Amino acid sequence: NAGVTQTPKFQVLKTGQSMTLQCAQDMNHNSMYWYRQDPGMGLRLIYYSASEGTTDKGEVPNGYNVSRLNKREFSLRLESAAPSQTSVYFCASSVSGGWNQPQHFGDGTRLSIL
Amino acid sequence: AQTVTQSQPEMSVQEAETVTLSCTYDTSESNYYLFWYKQPPSRQMILVIRQEAYKQQNATENRFSVNFQKAAKSFSLKISDSQLGDTAMYFCAFISQGAQKLVFGQGTRLTINP
Repeated sequence: NAGVTQTPKFQVLKTGQSMTLQCAQDMNHNSMYWYRQDPGMGLRLIYYSASEGTTDKGEVPNGYNVSRLNKREFSLRLESAAPSQTSVYFCASSVSGGWNQPQHFGDGTRLSIL
Repeated sequence: AQTVTQSQPEMSVQEAETVTLSCTYDTSESNYYLFWYKQPPSRQMILVIRQEAYKQQNATENRFSVNFQKAAKSFSLKISDSQLGDTAMYFCAFISQGAQKLVFGQGTRLTINP
């Protein structure tokens, strides 16, 4: 049971480099999410996609872009990485954007920006 | 703005003991869902239990139960007969009706000692 799969699991970038984090889910979920987790803090929503073809900003969208490639895949792009973007990134999905549907998380990507 | 507060950064108990993790939240919404997520060292976010605000009965999942006090805006997690595998970060999270964004607390690091 794959669930939500994130790649890569670890990445080190230099300031100014670009990178795309990949996320795919095999549960036929409509909604997908990108969060970041910083030390001493809970997860904060970066962007979400309520359904295929739509994306919306979350709490901390600056410096990021997303693409909902199809129903399964939702990617997060850093165009010009900054040290402040060093974090652990989680992708999640839910059956629908319904507020009462639990979100299922991937294993996270640990990203370090030097 | 909705906020979730976990006032216990760290807790430690002996195996087989019962432990209670605290969570308070602030909202003006009348209906919402509350969740507890577990994040073991493997980093995966695992849904432990959830509670809908309109349901008076406290949710229970095997050794995990909640004490939901809506008037006090409190949502504590009780783990009975704790096991070594319960060692993890525990996050309380909130989502209001119609919203897309899960709001997370800062987390409580729980250690179960043999």
